[in-house]
Amino acid sequence: GAGVSQSPSNKVTEKGKDVELRCDPISGHTALYWYRQSLGQGLEFLIYFQGNSAPDKSGLPSDRFSAERTGGSVSTLTIQRTQQEDSAVYLCASNSVRGLGDTQYFGPGTRLTVL
Amino acid sequence: DQQVKQNSPSLSVQEGRISILNCDYTNSMFDYFLWYKKYPAEGPTFLISISSIKDKNEDGRFTVFLNKSAKHLSLHIVPSQPGDSAVYFCAAMVSSNTGKLIFGQGTTLQVKP
Repeated sequence: GAGVSQSPSNKVTEKGKDVELRCDPISGHTALYWYRQSLGQGLEFLIYFQGNSAPDKSGLPSDRFSAERTGGSVSTLTIQRTQQEDSAVYLCASNSVRGLGDTQYFGPGTRLTVL
Repeated sequence: DQQVKQNSPSLSVQEGRISILNCDYTNSMFDYFLWYKKYPAEGPTFLISISSIKDKNEDGRFTVFLNKSAKHLSLHIVPSQPGDSAVYFCAAMVSSNTGKLIFGQGTTLQVKP
């Protein structure tokens, strides 16, 4: 596709359940980022991928959060045993050139609601 | 600890007037800054950036000013248009190796016709 796509667009889950969020970056983009935006907050960095490896996982809030990327393309963010404070919009971005922030292209996000 | 702050949650201006959005940062090591615009139900889109070697960068109706001594940057939109109504995020690049960004909380701009 022409842009970054994310699925699902909305996810409602019950506390304690696991969820998987998917990101399809722009074809050929080697860098991929996950952010989340909680209500009234800015975008919070979660993890950065270069190819299939994640040299910066410093933003993952707990060990319930994990992410992987396969084939240098699709990435999945998994949240285990979801909690109400995990409710947020999860945004994915990709970049064609490593390290250049001004070319990060964002997807529309997945709105996660944990009841 | 909020390293990038946008202290005004919202701003309302009349069409044709100037919009000024402000952003403060705490880390003097930050040397590259960006502004993103976000419409509802869409991801943020890049608007304009500035390197610390400059104090001003202009792109059409959008100008970003950087005051390093005050650790302050601002985005000027002139003239403002109703289509500019959106949430504006200021961001600082933490690492040029990874492109990692730290964002402010955002300012919601409403431009009234």
